[in-house]
Amino acid sequence: GQNIDQPTEMTATEGAIVQINCTYQTSGFNGLFWYQQHAGEAPTFLSYNVLDGLEEKGRFSSFLSRSKGYSYLLLKELQMKDSASYLCAVMDSNYQLIWGAGTKLIIKP
Amino acid sequence: GAVVSQHPSWVICKSGTSVKIECRSLDFQATTMFWYRQFPKQSLMLMATSNEGSKATYEQGVEKDKFLINHASLTLSTLTVTSAHPEDSSFYICSAREGTPDFTSGRMGETQYFGPGTRLLVL
Repeated sequence: GQNIDQPTEMTATEGAIVQINCTYQTSGFNGLFWYQQHAGEAPTFLSYNVLDGLEEKGRFSSFLSRSKGYSYLLLKELQMKDSASYLCAVMDSNYQLIWGAGTKLIIKP
Repeated sequence: GAVVSQHPSWVICKSGTSVKIECRSLDFQATTMFWYRQFPKQSLMLMATSNEGSKATYEQGVEKDKFLINHASLTLSTLTVTSAHPEDSSFYICSAREGTPDFTSGRMGETQYFGPGTRLLVL
């Protein structure tokens, strides 16, 4: 079956760095996505990885290792507004997105 | 970026009534639209995938006679929750995709554009 695992909840301090991990097992692979979702809102796109390595975009970076079925989202210089759920999703061979359950990130002052 | 709208954003209805939710792609033609449902503190659950002009493909466990999906044009898809019950109360989100993902355009990451969601409360 298809499976995506990520931690349920994480807590970090404002100004610090946090890494959210995601492991996956899917039928086919056409890329891995990270989305941010604030409570009561729809997801917003953060990053996309299809090749191994690190993609950096401002305070956010995303890493992929296809051989390990592993990705992480790295958030630097955390701000209170970063408190949200972070969803890992893999696009399978049918171009469908398979979603993880999301990681709720709590930022404390 | 591409914009997807949903209407209404909030709906409260009595048990047994039907509710229609609209999803529109405002500045692009969406050949494929997706309907998701999300319960509190849970992840997105794909309900169905619809392609313009054809019948929707429902995920396992989703009743197609209860959740009617119509994708009559390239910019509009509707989800009708028929004979709604309190357990149907949820956050319904649509997303739209323009064609098959293009690996060469550099816009792969923007494969799906999400609407703002519709919160349904059935009393």
